[in-house]
Amino acid sequence: AQSVAQPEDQVNVAEGNPLTVKCTYSVSGNPYLFWYVQYPNRGLQFLLKYITGDNLVKGSYGFEAEFNKSQTSFHLKKPSALVSDSALYFCAVPDNYGQNFVFGPGTRLSVLP
Amino acid sequence: DAGITQSPRHKVTETGTPVTLRCHQTENHRYMYWYRQDPGHGLRLIHYSYGVKDTDKGEVSDGYSVSRSKTEDFLLTLESATSSQTSVYFCAIVGQGPYNEQFFGPGTRLTVL
Repeated sequence: AQSVAQPEDQVNVAEGNPLTVKCTYSVSGNPYLFWYVQYPNRGLQFLLKYITGDNLVKGSYGFEAEFNKSQTSFHLKKPSALVSDSALYFCAVPDNYGQNFVFGPGTRLSVLP
Repeated sequence: DAGITQSPRHKVTETGTPVTLRCHQTENHRYMYWYRQDPGHGLRLIHYSYGVKDTDKGEVSDGYSVSRSKTEDFLLTLESATSSQTSVYFCAIVGQGPYNEQFFGPGTRLTVL
């Protein structure tokens, strides 16, 4: 079965520093990987996805993610964190049929001023 | 934001009472989903629909039923609410075709006393 893991419950980073939120995956077939963000009292919002092609994917709000097939990872990154990036981040992968999604448990990012 | 709304946004009810949550979309998308979000579990799929009157169970469907009589509306019913169903419920839609991102509603916070 398709699955994703987010090894860190919480990530703290100082404003202006680079941030990384980690995701590893286990899939059969080609990996299709997604990142979503959830701000307080809001629904999830799509950030970016990897389908095929360039291993570095650029998304919304200055975020990017690096697909690494050998390490089965899809880490979310941003060169310079903002306090407003503080939120809950979810990695997700479609199931075998492509229309349902399996979500990781989420990583809470806190950017400290 | 995608045209997806949920009602009510907050509800407090008592154990044993029936509860219906509504999801409404204006995007004319075929697929609609109901998730619940609980700390430490990320998002878990309750039920989904792939068309009018076409629904299927997700990972945590026990105690829940759904109906879809129109493309734009997807109803989630708790026939007899229990305290374990206290959660935040999210509806989502996704465009036609595989590996498209989901768009989420704002959520409904349900408390069962």
